[in-house]
Amino acid sequence: GENVEQHPSTLSVQEGDSAVIKCTYSDSASNYFPWYKQELGKGPQLIIDIRSNVGEKKDQRIAVTLNKTAKHFSLHITETQPEDSAVYFCAASPNQGGKLIFGQGTELSVKP
Amino acid sequence: DGGITQSPKYLFRKEGQNVTLSCEQNLNHDAMYWYRQDPGQGLRLIYYSQIVNDFQKGDIAEGYSVSREKKESFPLTVTSAQKNPTAFYLCASSLLGTAEAFFGQGTRLTVV
Repeated sequence: GENVEQHPSTLSVQEGDSAVIKCTYSDSASNYFPWYKQELGKGPQLIIDIRSNVGEKKDQRIAVTLNKTAKHFSLHITETQPEDSAVYFCAASPNQGGKLIFGQGTELSVKP
Repeated sequence: DGGITQSPKYLFRKEGQNVTLSCEQNLNHDAMYWYRQDPGQGLRLIYYSQIVNDFQKGDIAEGYSVSREKKESFPLTVTSAQKNPTAFYLCASSLLGTAEAFFGQGTRLTVV
């Protein structure tokens, strides 16, 4: 079955710097790759996603890139702000009725 | 407001007791999911349902049961057979055939 690895597990950056989180997946049939932001004690919130027919997608300060050949995808946050501090999860859908396989999460801390 | 509602937010139970977690959605989504989240780990799929009166086991279904009598509702019962039930439980829903999932705010279950 699908397996998703996410790195790093923790990431600390200064406000204004960029943050990059990377994920790899194992199932070449996966075709949907969302990123979720989870604040303490809350449910995950979808922040951006990408499908396998696209290499890059951007939404204001966040962007996601996908390399299908290497089976990895990354989240890029530019001009980080303290409110970006949260746990970020990547996921992959192996096209089995909408099930998502999640990475282990990255705890991002943005220091003012 | 459309969304997914999980209740209660916090739940305490004695060891050996069954407990049922509620999940209701008014997004008119066909598919619903239950995930378990433990510290330092990603979300793991317990059960999912793509249509009323039908559901499938996820990766960690042992010790759990579900029902799907209505499209809007997908309650999860944590039985006494679950060896390590203390965790944060998340319910999600999506349109049938898509993986774009929307999550509830979670229920934190503590078994003492």
